[in-house]
Amino acid sequence: DTAVSQTPKYLVTQMGNDKSIKCEQNLGHDTMYWYKQDSKKFLKIMFSYNNKELIINETVPNRFSPKSPDKAHLNLHINSLELGDSAVYFCASSRGGWGGEAFFGQGTRLTVV
Amino acid sequence: AQTVTQSQPEMSVQEAETVTLSCTYDTSESDYYLFWYKQPPSRQMILVIRQEAYKQQNATENRFSVNFQKAAKSFSLKISDSQLGDAAMYFCAYRSTNTGNQFYFGTGTSLTVIP
Repeated sequence: DTAVSQTPKYLVTQMGNDKSIKCEQNLGHDTMYWYKQDSKKFLKIMFSYNNKELIINETVPNRFSPKSPDKAHLNLHINSLELGDSAVYFCASSRGGWGGEAFFGQGTRLTVV
Repeated sequence: AQTVTQSQPEMSVQEAETVTLSCTYDTSESDYYLFWYKQPPSRQMILVIRQEAYKQQNATENRFSVNFQKAAKSFSLKISDSQLGDAAMYFCAYRSTNTGNQFYFGTGTSLTVIP
């Protein structure tokens, strides 16, 4: 049983398109995250939700819009894709409060051509 | 914001030998958690070990152990009896009790295991 699942695993699309990445966790966690991993492997927080409420919104272009329909799901929609958006995007979840580790999805490799 | 520094972009170790990966962090908080994650070529992020800042005892998980020096803000990972399957990118991470409890990651250390 997959704890945090992301779809799709790979996404190749043209510049200017709009795409979504879905994420679901079955761990009962309150907090979910989106991280971006660039070509140098650096992991940068994009968004964090706690019980469907946005609590972290780092300096991310407003073409990126997260949506949490319930606390088990956190989707990422990207408008007007640009070449620089190419990266691996990770969804993660953790217990609310503090202390627990983050559980990661398998990542979505987004390639914009 | 907290920062996590991994000063070794690349490391290598002979199979069956021991290697230590370094991590330092900067924080004004007294309570926090630290983690080491492994990312093999499959890109899945796998938790290796975790350490609670309020615990003096260093965490150990089989061949993996940490040297946690709270005053020095240092959190190194020791891998004993290295195996080929240990080859991966290793990330040190800090979990804050503030700022939305987010995780801060270091830039990673790429570990090569030489047969």
